Amino acid sequence: DQQVKQNSPSLSVQEGRISILNCDYTNSMFDYFLWYKKYPAEGPTFLISISSIKDKNEDGRFTVFLNKSAKHLSLHIVPSQPGDSAVYFCAASQYDKIIFGKGTRLHILP
Amino acid sequence: DGGITQSPKYLFRKEGQNVTLSCEQNLNHDAMYWYRQDPGQGLRLIYYSQIVNDFQKGDIAEGYSVSREKKESFPLTVTSAQKNPTAFYLCASSRRPDQPQHFGDGTRLSIL
Repeated sequence: DQQVKQNSPSLSVQEGRISILNCDYTNSMFDYFLWYKKYPAEGPTFLISISSIKDKNEDGRFTVFLNKSAKHLSLHIVPSQPGDSAVYFCAASQYDKIIFGKGTRLHILP
Repeated sequence: DGGITQSPKYLFRKEGQNVTLSCEQNLNHDAMYWYRQDPGQGLRLIYYSQIVNDFQKGDIAEGYSVSREKKESFPLTVTSAQKNPTAFYLCASSRRPDQPQHFGDGTRLSIL
């Protein structure tokens, strides 16, 4: 039973355009959400997070939106750059664990 | 520089042998975690520890064991009971369980 779902295994976006990565969750008790970025053969690195009391958090080119009623969050990257090509994991936290989605591979096209 | 060190980066073992993966952190974090990543599976939690001398099973603990004798160290043993041990293993730590986790660069284990 997947509690955190990333339904798009991959996404291709032109350099300079906006990348939008989506994530759905099923557990309404999650109170903190995170996005991680992962390059091949490396560990994930923390990108941005949002508390359940907010609906938007922005950090430079990265913005995360949270829609609690729809149990949906999204990560916007604008403008997209070649170095953004990676796998992005959505994660949700409750109590003592963080649960990860399966990831979306983002390809930034030249 | 503070961080998490996993060693070795690549590990080969014969079937039936136990193998221990090392994870050390100098971030002074209380919580540490072990994940396994398989193609198309994302990150699955094996074991986690919130404090020294205490740890809990994650979603896929069968065939694995851990210890947390020191705050800095959280080694993972892949036992011969683990049916499909070939995978990429990631160790992580965080200041508190609900805070962002910092990850090591992983160990790729291959069973020959």
